[in-house]
Amino acid sequence: DVKVTQSSRYLVKRTGEKVFLECVQDMDHENMFWYRQDPGLGLRLIYFSYDVKMKEKGDIPEGYSVSREKKERFSLILESASTNQTSMYLCASSTTREGETQYFGPGTRLLVL
Amino acid sequence: DQQVKQNSPSLSVQEGRISILNCDYTNSMFDYFLWYKKYPAEGPTFLISISSIKDKNEDGRFTVFLNKSAKHLSLHIVPSQPGDSAVYFCAASAIRSSGGSNYKLTFGKGTLLTVNP
Repeated sequence: DVKVTQSSRYLVKRTGEKVFLECVQDMDHENMFWYRQDPGLGLRLIYFSYDVKMKEKGDIPEGYSVSREKKERFSLILESASTNQTSMYLCASSTTREGETQYFGPGTRLLVL
Repeated sequence: DQQVKQNSPSLSVQEGRISILNCDYTNSMFDYFLWYKKYPAEGPTFLISISSIKDKNEDGRFTVFLNKSAKHLSLHIVPSQPGDSAVYFCAASAIRSSGGSNYKLTFGKGTLLTVNP
């Protein structure tokens, strides 16, 4: 079974703090993704990576950066957290061998005060 | 511009009846479609998918139908069970112009399905 884990289930941060969200997958997947889910807006892609040290912007990259130093690990960084970044953050991974099916982690609910 | 649309924010059905969730898309380059189910406070889980070369794919109680000419797909759940109550997301992927998948999925906004006992 594919397992995608996220470092925290719930997180509370203050405006202006630097926030790190970490994601680890154990299936040697090439591709990893960060989404945010907000009510009425569905899942929106922030960044994705198709290889170590490679990254591409998704639909809403502003205010975020990412890091992929190892194949199994993909980090999302909020450089200076703002209240409009309060959201559910979801990490996913996929393999090119299996096509487009993405496997998701449990999510991190982030509250920025 | 919303490329994948789920026009019904919610749907309520009785246990044992059929649930039909609909999804429309506008990008004619989409060639692979997926359905995900999401419970509150959990990540989405993959349910079923269909390639554009097919018009139907079945897996147990779940069947996905694709109508390419109408740019429409639907997920049928028969019979519906209370445990099926969740948000269902439709997603689509397009082949890169240079060939091969671009691995990105475009998601709809989701439909909340409630199955009443």
